[in-house]
Amino acid sequence: QKEVEQDPGPLSVPEGAIVSLNCTYSNSAFQYFMWYRQYSRKGPELLMYTYSSGNKEDGRFTAQVDKSSKYISLFIRDSQPSDSATYLCAMARAGGTSYGKLTFGQGTILTVHP
Amino acid sequence: DAGVTQSPTHLIKTRGQHVTLRCSPISGHKSVSWYQQVLGQGPQFIFQYYEKEERGRGNFPDRFSARQFPNYSSELNVNALLLGDSALYLCASSFLRLREADGYTFGSGTRLTVV
Repeated sequence: QKEVEQDPGPLSVPEGAIVSLNCTYSNSAFQYFMWYRQYSRKGPELLMYTYSSGNKEDGRFTAQVDKSSKYISLFIRDSQPSDSATYLCAMARAGGTSYGKLTFGQGTILTVHP
Repeated sequence: DAGVTQSPTHLIKTRGQHVTLRCSPISGHKSVSWYQQVLGQGPQFIFQYYEKEERGRGNFPDRFSARQFPNYSSELNVNALLLGDSALYLCASSFLRLREADGYTFGSGTRLTVV
């Protein structure tokens, strides 16, 4: 079983839709949670970074962490064609020999069509 | 400010050959990590270097090695290349080892094709 599970999609939505992307994880030692966006042939770009359970909002993006359920989500409001990309969730432990190692999900391919 | 720069951007190697990939972190960043991303998968952690010392290693064979230089740039070396080593190799930098306020900034990667 993978430590981080992410539905690969692909997900196709019309412009203006609300998008929900999700990851589940099995390792309760994960303390830091991130969402990255990756365009084709580019490196991942950090979108959101959270530490505690709850919601964090940044513009059209909202990251949600539920540590009790080991479940994280990214919501995109008013989606735009420019949001079309692969979205990767990533997690990290705090301290110990795994400090600094990011564990990624498989990535979800999102297409927003006009 | 320049972001994380990686070179070369693309290269093609033959099975059994050796390859060296290079990374320059963002100015002031002391931590460099290497990741391998196979097509259709998320990145897999290979190494982390902080202050020129190896601080973490992923589940990769000894054919993979790396080092960090006094200017905090880094090299990833892969010996005896296999077809399965074909992937996008990503370098990420951060000011410190991962802390609450940090995130990693990734370069655009080096796309390695082994034939």
